[in-house]
Amino acid sequence: DAGVIQSPRHEVTEMGQEVTLRCKPISGHDYLFWYRQTMMRGLELLIYFNNNVPIDDSGMPEDRFSAKMPNASFSTLKIQPSEPRDSAVYFCASSLVGGSGEPQHFGDGTRLSIL
Amino acid sequence: AQKVTQAQTEISVVEKEDVTLDCVYETRDTTYYLFWYKQPPSGELVFLIRRNSFDEQNEISGRYSWNFQKSTSSFNFTITASQVVDSAVYFCALRNNYQLIWGAGTKLIIKP
Repeated sequence: DAGVIQSPRHEVTEMGQEVTLRCKPISGHDYLFWYRQTMMRGLELLIYFNNNVPIDDSGMPEDRFSAKMPNASFSTLKIQPSEPRDSAVYFCASSLVGGSGEPQHFGDGTRLSIL
Repeated sequence: AQKVTQAQTEISVVEKEDVTLDCVYETRDTTYYLFWYKQPPSGELVFLIRRNSFDEQNEISGRYSWNFQKSTSSFNFTITASQVVDSAVYFCALRNNYQLIWGAGTKLIIKP
């Protein structure tokens, strides 16, 4: 079975531009998570969805960040306008049941560089 | 408070040596789950193992083994006869409902 698929793998853009990151979770998984990884802060949970509904977005750093999940097989994380401090690796993960011991399976990540 | 501590920031060993990565956790929950993930230089995060709080049996998978001890709140990971391909950052994590509480990671360098 295919794992979590993220695109693009790398994104380099100039400050002020809109950035859209995409994620396709593993089929049948009903939880989807967006993380950000930086050297300074490690792995941070930004937002997670259950059955396409956002449950907790308290980790979203500010209003410039937004996430959607229009259906069970697709989610986006958008940054508008982007800033250099948004440079990081963004991971999407999915799992079968969020509250149990089911592991989260991660995509390969999107390495984002804002110039 | 929920917390995961990986005190070893970086470990460097020569190939074929055994190496143990430490993980100490804090939680007030009686039911919880612990995980180990591997992040190789290519950057992806790979799930290695899950352990629930009711199962203290040690687990062995090939050259990998895990020692879970509730008495010391530790979930240590040992690689036997290490190989260069084991070089990666290893993360220990505690599952708190939906959220994973991550340790800072241990960077493991295996020298040929």
